[in-house]
Amino acid sequence: EVQLVESGGGLVQPGGSLRLSCTASGFIFSNYWMYWVRQAPGKGLEWVANIKQDASEIYYVDSVKGRFTVSRDKAQSSLFLQMNSLRAEDTAVYYCAAGDSMDVWGQGTTVTVSS
Amino acid sequence: QSVLTQPPSASGTPGQRVTISCSGSSSNIGSYNVYWYQQLPGTAPKLLIYLNNQRPSGVPDRFSGSKSGTSASLAISGLRSEDEADYYCAAWDASLSGWVFGGGTKLTVL
Repeated sequence: EVQLVESGGGLVQPGGSLRLSCTASGFIFSNYWMYWVRQAPGKGLEWVANIKQDASEIYYVDSVKGRFTVSRDKAQSSLFLQMNSLRAEDTAVYYCAAGDSMDVWGQGTTVTVSS
Repeated sequence: QSVLTQPPSASGTPGQRVTISCSGSSSNIGSYNVYWYQQLPGTAPKLLIYLNNQRPSGVPDRFSGSKSGTSASLAISGLRSEDEADYYCAAWDASLSGWVFGGGTKLTVL
């Protein structure tokens, strides 16, 4: 079964850091683009970042540039999102997705930035 | 304010056909493929249409996508109660060097 499972979310104070993980199974992880997409409470979807199969291309939405870093590990079939200098507006459910068309999505992990 | 513009809401009765529009520009829809996602209440998004008009395996043929110029549309025929969900369009944007989503359309089946 093709599956993505996110973890690492939680409550963090403004200015703090979190590292999200997304573990893939049921497909060849190294063959696909990977994405992070977030959804603030009651709001729509917002693309955050994506990374090519070999990490040779990485893109970020402007609002997270310089604060978030996306990476991937072929051996672990895992995608990561290192989030630093977190702000209240980063509060959201963070989804990872896989495939050229964001074909497969995980169930999401919740990040809450609050004092 | 989203780069891709969708109506915030749409509605129809069972059996009807509804259409959801997605308006963009030459840097996104005008130059790149459009994708549609369905998000049922309390769940993760699901790919509904890719490459403008292609359905993934398992998506009923009641769902169809089209694109013309800088706009795209999702049509749902034979509306069913289980189609009640939020629908999002998405595309790559060359000016932003990133993906952009529409603001989402909440579909209500009356």
